[in-house]
Amino acid sequence: SQQGEEDPQALSIQEGENATMNCSYKTSINNLQWYRQNSGRGLVHLILIRSNEREKHSGRLRVTLDTSKKSSSLLITASRAADTASYFCATSGNNRLAFGKGNQVVVIP
Amino acid sequence: NAGVMQNPRHLVRRRGQEARLRCSPMKGHSHVYWYRQLPEEGLKFMVYLQKENIIDESGMPKERFSAEFPKEGPSILRIQQVVRGDSAAYFCASSPRASGYTDTQYFGPGTRLTVL
Repeated sequence: SQQGEEDPQALSIQEGENATMNCSYKTSINNLQWYRQNSGRGLVHLILIRSNEREKHSGRLRVTLDTSKKSSSLLITASRAADTASYFCATSGNNRLAFGKGNQVVVIP
Repeated sequence: NAGVMQNPRHLVRRRGQEARLRCSPMKGHSHVYWYRQLPEEGLKFMVYLQKENIIDESGMPKERFSAEFPKEGPSILRIQQVVRGDSAAYFCASSPRASGYTDTQYFGPGTRLTVL
């Protein structure tokens, strides 16, 4: 079974709105990371949150982690058309990343 | 500092042929990871290598797939006798040391393999 599962899987919003996506996982983790993938491209690392952290900010990104619920959320504020992409959460452990299926986010100009 | 390089970016093979995918990690990185992404799916771990050593190949199919990371040169993912189900995007990532508590893996642009 996958360690990361994002919810919802597809999100369409207007430019300027906020986008929130969630991720749940099943096992204990060292950290959780979020990546962005533009269509047909590689993955770009966005942010890493450690298991002893609850919230982290990076620019327009805000990530939360609730280890008691084994869940994380990624919030993108004031979205832009360039934010259109797939977003994946990944848990780190055993020298590998375990990815969820991803959220497709479309930001309409 | 160039990022992770992968080539070719696109590879087309007929069933039964061999596919060789190359990955050059970031400068100073000695740990390489290969992942496979099927359409509409997330990435799935395949293998983790250090220079001249396979550390974890638990995600590799038991037949036809092999990987190496020689002392000199890029890491190679080799798929023998390809089948249509091998069509996917193959991503390489590298890290300066074992990805444990804090290290991030840096991904290449991927090789998109199409098997006809």
